[in-house]
Amino acid sequence: AQTVTQSQPEMSVQEAETVTLSCTYDTSESDYYLFWYKQPPSRQMILVIRQEAYKQQNATENRFSVNFQKAAKSFSLKISDSQLGDAAMYFCAYRRWSYQLTFGKGTKLSVIP
Amino acid sequence: DTGVSQDPRHKITKRGQNVTFRCDPISEHNRLYWYRQTLGQGPEFLTYFQNEAQLEKSRLLSDRFSAERPKGSFSTLEIQRTEQGDSAMYLCASSIGTGRGNTEAFFGQGTRLTVV
Repeated sequence: AQTVTQSQPEMSVQEAETVTLSCTYDTSESDYYLFWYKQPPSRQMILVIRQEAYKQQNATENRFSVNFQKAAKSFSLKISDSQLGDAAMYFCAYRRWSYQLTFGKGTKLSVIP
Repeated sequence: DTGVSQDPRHKITKRGQNVTFRCDPISEHNRLYWYRQTLGQGPEFLTYFQNEAQLEKSRLLSDRFSAERPKGSFSTLEIQRTEQGDSAMYLCASSIGTGRGNTEAFFGQGTRLTVV
């Protein structure tokens, strides 16, 4: 069974600084997708960024980028120029093809003004 | 397009009672998922529909849980004889899928269940 591990229960970052959230996963598959979702307090989960395993190039979405290391089964999220609105729970997730998402336990990110 | 809608947002029930939650996916989405999220944990998969067919159920989905998606539109999740351990946030998500392909999943705001 696939597992996703987020080893940082909580992180904090100064506004305008950069922070990296870690994620490792375990799978025997070679074709899969990885995601970072953001869940603000009392609000719905939204997709931040996705990475297809067959792509070697790391995905980037504005201030969000990933460091995907397939051999190491590592998938970290870097948030640059952190903003107050980035404060939320961040979940790393894995998916094979069209199957369901497997989530990590999450990292709570606080942004300090 | 108003996104994925879940009703109710909050539900408090007494142990032993039955509860039913509703999810309205994004209209053109053929795939619908239910997840359960307990405090301090990530969401855990419960079940998944493609159109009206329930294609997969997690072992987390005990016999007290049943889900339906009549006509491939909205879905309901019913919990019979609720237990305190059922207290959680129940999340619904939807996506467009064909074969192996799948768009990103869009989530609703969830239904928070408290069993007292």
